[in-house]
Amino acid sequence: EVQMVQSGAELKKPGESLTLSCKGSGYNFNNQWIGWVRQVPGKGLESMGIVYPGDSDTRYSSSFEGQVTISVDKSISTAYLHWGSLKASDSAMYYCARQGINWEFDYWGQGTLVTVSS
Amino acid sequence: SYVLTQPPSVSLAPGQTARITCEGRNIDTKSVHWYQQKPGQAPVLVVFNDNDRPSGIPERFSGSTSGNTATLTISRVEAGDEADYFCQVWDGFTDHVVFGGGTKLTVL
Repeated sequence: EVQMVQSGAELKKPGESLTLSCKGSGYNFNNQWIGWVRQVPGKGLESMGIVYPGDSDTRYSSSFEGQVTISVDKSISTAYLHWGSLKASDSAMYYCARQGINWEFDYWGQGTLVTVSS
Repeated sequence: SYVLTQPPSVSLAPGQTARITCEGRNIDTKSVHWYQQKPGQAPVLVVFNDNDRPSGIPERFSGSTSGNTATLTISRVEAGDEADYFCQVWDGFTDHVVFGGGTKLTVL
C-alpha cells in the first residue's frame, strides 16, 4: 500500500527556520516525482515545486522560487520542504504528494499545518 | 503562465448531474486531472488523464475535454459528494504544475 506520511504540526515565530518531512512507502521511492502543495485556510491549492528522488532534480513554481528549498534523501525515502526565515504569510497547510506518469498527484500525505505567529 | 479558471460554486439537488468546468487555453491538448477535497481532509484524485478513474472511485465520476474546456461530470449527485473540486494540468512549457482555483459543490 502506497503511503505518504508527513511530519506533525508546527508553531513557529517569524524569522525562525523550519523543515517539513514527507516519507514515502509502498512503492519504488526513487522513480516518481514528489510535489509540495500549499493551501491557505479557505483557499485553493498552490503547487510549490517538485523533486525527483532518483537524481534530486528540483523544479520550483515561480511564486516559491527563492522562498523555500525542496530536497530529498532517497536513502530514507523522505522529501523535505525548508524555510530559512519564516513569515506570518507562510501560515498554511502543506501537503506532499506523489506524482503519477501523467503528472497527476495520485497519493497525498495527510498534511502539515504550519502556524507562524509572534 | 498557464491559467485554469473554474466557477467558484455549483449547487444542485440530490440525484441531479453536476458539471464542473475548467477553462484553459487549448486544454484539450493536455492531460487534465481532478481532485475532490472535503473539509479537513487531504485532496483525493477522482479523475486523471482526462477521463480515467483511480480504483475505488465510483463510475458516477467522469471527465471530458473539448477545445478550451475540461469538464468533471458527477452523475446522480449524493450528499457525500459535497466538497471542493480542483482541476490540474502539467504546463510543459514552464515545467510547472497548475491548479484551477477550485469549485465548491453544494448538494441542496
